[in-house]
Amino acid sequence: EVQLVESGGGLVQPGGSLRLSCAASGFTFSSYWMSWVRQAPGKGLEWVANIKQDGSEKYYVDSVKGRFTISRDNAKNSLYLQMNSLRAEDTAVYYCARDRCTNGVCLPAEYYFDYWGQGTLVTVSS
Amino acid sequence: SYELTQPPSVSVSPGQTASITCSGDKLGDKYACWYQQKPGQSPVLVIYQDSKRPSGIPERFSGSNSGNTATLTISGTQAMDEADYYCQAWDSSPLYVFGTGTKVTVL
Repeated sequence: EVQLVESGGGLVQPGGSLRLSCAASGFTFSSYWMSWVRQAPGKGLEWVANIKQDGSEKYYVDSVKGRFTISRDNAKNSLYLQMNSLRAEDTAVYYCARDRCTNGVCLPAEYYFDYWGQGTLVTVSS
Repeated sequence: SYELTQPPSVSVSPGQTASITCSGDKLGDKYACWYQQKPGQSPVLVIYQDSKRPSGIPERFSGSNSGNTATLTISGTQAMDEADYYCQAWDSSPLYVFGTGTKVTVL
């Protein structure tokens, strides 16, 4: 059974930092692209970042470029999101999600998420 | 950047058919998928590659995509289908684009 379990959320002041983790199990973690997706309270879903199987390629939504860093440790079956210079608008539930793509270059048909974690809440407030 | 627009809400009577639209420029040239999200829960994939159902998703869920509109159809809607639904497609930047979301109410 595929499981994705996020941790690391909490309350942080504006300008502060936080590191989220996602522990994966039930599948060959190193074979999949992985993503972070967030959802502000009462709002819709927003893709944040994703990372290639070997960590050699990373992509971000414009609003977090230069502030957030996605990484992974395949030996530990773990995905991470380092969040710096946090802003009030970063307040959201952050989900770890498995990209369907198992190739180095993804086909258009593979751009969707087939498994999601339960999410971890990040609150940026003074 | 690419945008996907959904109606904020759709109401349906039990046993009837609910149709949820997702509009975007030349969306039919891309692949669309759909997620269901119940209150306090994570999203669940219900349709991928326009019309395919993942294992475990009931047959009453179906999808189509043509022109500028993708549609999620729930046939014989049940009370348990009450949820928020999001469409999603791929674009160059950002890579993944979600629709604005539709709240389905089963009256």
